[in-house]
Amino acid sequence: DAGVIQSPRHEVTEMGQEVTLRCKPISGHNSLFWYRQTMMRGLELLIYFNNNVPIDDSGMPEDRFSAKMPNASFSTLKIQPSEPRDSAVYFCASSPAAGDTEAFFGQGTRLTVV
Amino acid sequence: GNSVTQMEGPVTLSEEAFLTINCTYTATGYPSLFWYVQYPGEGLQLLLKATKADDKGSNKGFEATYRKETTSFHLEKGSVQVSDSAVYFCALSDQGTGRRALTFGSGTRLQVQP
Repeated sequence: DAGVIQSPRHEVTEMGQEVTLRCKPISGHNSLFWYRQTMMRGLELLIYFNNNVPIDDSGMPEDRFSAKMPNASFSTLKIQPSEPRDSAVYFCASSPAAGDTEAFFGQGTRLTVV
Repeated sequence: GNSVTQMEGPVTLSEEAFLTINCTYTATGYPSLFWYVQYPGEGLQLLLKATKADDKGSNKGFEATYRKETTSFHLEKGSVQVSDSAVYFCALSDQGTGRRALTFGSGTRLQVQP
């Protein structure tokens, strides 16, 4: 398996623009997580899905952020409108249905909002 | 709620030195404990894990023992290499609450000098 695949790896956008980050989880995993990493706040859980259903979105910073998981093999995180303070590395991770809750991470998307 | 506290870095060591990175946790249920490693420009990779009290996780010369009495999961390695330079994250998942998402510590940067 290729692991968790995120795209794009890098994104530079202007303030006010819409940004969409994409994630393909490992096949057969039924939990998917979006994390944000910054120097100031470390790793923060934004939202996670179980069987394509959002379970906990309490970490989503505000209404400008939205996430979807239309099927088991694809998820998006959208920011509209983007702001400079959204600049961070965004990670997607997935984990299997059974057993302990080890998560497998993608390589991340580095977002810069100018 | 759940939380993880790690020693602040950076930790700077010479090659072949002994490494300890402290990690303590607070959890409401029965957590599994993890150490993840992040190399520059990459996502997080699972280094080792322990799912119950007194379990010892080990991988690539690294070890950590789940100590319920002290709520700790300290990472150790007897002889570090330059290639071990990375950021190390302690994390927990609280299976007792059914919350599948990982809670991470703030990370500890390790720098190993030749």
